Amino acid sequence: QSALTQPASVSGSPGQSITISCTGTNSDVGGYNYVSWYQQHPGKAPKVMIYDVTIRPSGVSNRFSGSKSGNTASLTISGLQAEDEADYYCSSYTSSNTVVFGGGTKVVVL
Amino acid sequence: EVELLESGGGLVQPGESLRLSCGASGFTFSTSPMTWVRQAPGKGLEWVSLISGSGAGRYYADSVKGRFTVSRDNSKNTLYLELNSPRVEDTAVYYCAKEVRVLTGYRDYWGQGTLVTVSS
Repeated sequence: QSALTQPASVSGSPGQSITISCTGTNSDVGGYNYVSWYQQHPGKAPKVMIYDVTIRPSGVSNRFSGSKSGNTASLTISGLQAEDEADYYCSSYTSSNTVVFGGGTKVVVL
Repeated sequence: EVELLESGGGLVQPGESLRLSCGASGFTFSTSPMTWVRQAPGKGLEWVSLISGSGAGRYYADSVKGRFTVSRDNSKNTLYLELNSPRVEDTAVYYCAKEVRVLTGYRDYWGQGTLVTVSS
């Protein structure tokens, strides 16, 4: 149950677009369309931003979008805003009947 | 409105037992899978365990299998996590979360977490 691989940090200026990658294996990310993404502000509980690779829950800004290619899933934030500065985690179902999270990515708005 | 409230955290010595609780309201608890996720200080999220709505299906991360036990009381709308023989590395904030589907789903609502500190 190794954690999915995410970059430690990604930064961008307001208005720009950034993409966070989440790399696993064909036993998790690559094998199923069950990837979800979570936003966590300091001291707060996580909040789901994307589920089933591409689906945005009601109430989440359409500036957030998800995709997947092979064993790598991605979260794109367009029109970056100061409020987007937070930690982001990907998560996937695994063939071992477990769930695995990524190590997390800190998004910095310059 | 969905609410999840964890309790039971605190300081525990290595090898002692501790039971965490998560009270739920605002949704049909008995048909909802539930999950525990933890976060060590300054670290990332780690999935711990999931239980189906009926309680018949229970799943664990390798790091806690055989030591932690997840259970639920649907008559009390409460989820539990029993930490047996905790280790220093189990120190973390423990979140309960509502799942949309068993294992293949996602966590749509989260509690605010309860801190467990394992130390002698």
